[in-house]
Amino acid sequence: TQLLEQSPQFLSIQEGENLTVYCNSSSVFSSLQWYRQEPGEGPVLLVTVVTGGEVKKLKRLTFQFGDARKDSSLHITAAQTGDTGLYLCAGARYGGSQGNLIFGKGTKLSVKP
Amino acid sequence: EPEVTQTPSHQVTQMGQEVILRCVPISNHLYFYWYRQILGQKVEFLVSFYNNEISEKSEIFDDQFSVERPDGSNFTLKIRSTKLEDSAMYFCASRERASQPQHFGDGTRLSIL
Repeated sequence: TQLLEQSPQFLSIQEGENLTVYCNSSSVFSSLQWYRQEPGEGPVLLVTVVTGGEVKKLKRLTFQFGDARKDSSLHITAAQTGDTGLYLCAGARYGGSQGNLIFGKGTKLSVKP
Repeated sequence: EPEVTQTPSHQVTQMGQEVILRCVPISNHLYFYWYRQILGQKVEFLVSFYNNEISEKSEIFDDQFSVERPDGSNFTLKIRSTKLEDSAMYFCASRERASQPQHFGDGTRLSIL
């Protein structure tokens, strides 16, 4: 069974601080998505990373896919209160043709003013 | 921006009854998915659907479950003889092509009494 372990599970920081969320697995993924989920809503796609070693930036968010395509990280610079939410990583199985996603448990981020 | 829509947003049903959860995927998308999220747990894959047939299903998706694309726009999940443990958020997702990420609806909260 493929698992995606996300850490930390909870993170509470002050506005302006930097943070990194990790997503790790012993399995290889063909791609990895990061989603943000608000209470009562579905996951909203932030980014997809496909190539080992790939780095993508979305304003203050930097996403990296590990060289071996087994892990990924999300780094937020100068966090703002609007960044508060649940961040999910989800991997598409390598060799899986239909792309069903395996999700991590999520990191619940709270940014305090 | 086009989005995946799900109805109803909340469904309350007596144990043993049948429920149908409805989804309208994004119009030009070809791959369709159902996931569920039990309260406090991670999002889990149920089934993928392509070219009018199930392409992959998880061990959760047993004979109690079925999916259908009755017309060109709707994608439904039927749960026969619901059980208490079927209570969860059910998310529909779709994507345009195999290389594209999945986009999620806001989910249906299913409560079995």
